[in-house]
Amino acid sequence: AAGVIQSPRHLIKEKRETATLKCYPIPRHDTVYWYQQGPGQDPQFLISFYEKMQSDKGSIPDRFSAQQFSDYHSELNMSSLELGDSALYFCASSYPASGVNTEAFFGQGTRLTVV
Amino acid sequence: GESVGLHLPTLSVQEGDNSIINCAYSNSASDYFIWYKQESGKGPQFIIDIRSNMDKRQGQRVTVLLNKTVKHLSLQIAATQPGDSAVYFCAEWADTDKLIFGTGTRLQVFP
Repeated sequence: AAGVIQSPRHLIKEKRETATLKCYPIPRHDTVYWYQQGPGQDPQFLISFYEKMQSDKGSIPDRFSAQQFSDYHSELNMSSLELGDSALYFCASSYPASGVNTEAFFGQGTRLTVV
Repeated sequence: GESVGLHLPTLSVQEGDNSIINCAYSNSASDYFIWYKQESGKGPQFIIDIRSNMDKRQGQRVTVLLNKTVKHLSLQIAATQPGDSAVYFCAEWADTDKLIFGTGTRLQVFP
């Protein structure tokens, strides 16, 4: 079965550079979530989109922005990168049925290293 | 605020024994809970879920128990195997479009 695809899997950037992470949800899933996970930490919610509109926002820095496109894939744009942005970034997708929450499936993540 | 947490950071069990991982949540309005397994360098993998109108749900070798009175979840793994070694997270759907993760428990299985 198709899963959530994230690219790239690994990314190395220098401080103050910009990074773009991509997420391709499971087909027919219309909701996408982004999470940041630091070493030894639990995943922290950043932002979510439903039907191409932002649906909720968590602890996402102002330097970050995201959007969901017409084909439901999503991109997380990160500017003015800082060393502390080094983490695993996960995308998840789900298909809420009639407003009922269902399981969210996660991609394999993008490991971002800022040097 | 909303929070989901686990009691123990590390659980060590012998292969073949049963494992129990606990989780407490604070938002009494939460109506759906998920247990995830995360292996090193990989994304969280769905294990089992439970809705608030249920007390127990069973899967293959796993059982989730929900006690709404004390806002407590547990994940039971029967006949724990080396492949079960991972970090386990409970997660909670609040009434917003986000899944809130608790602090993970590392399960170590030794022969």
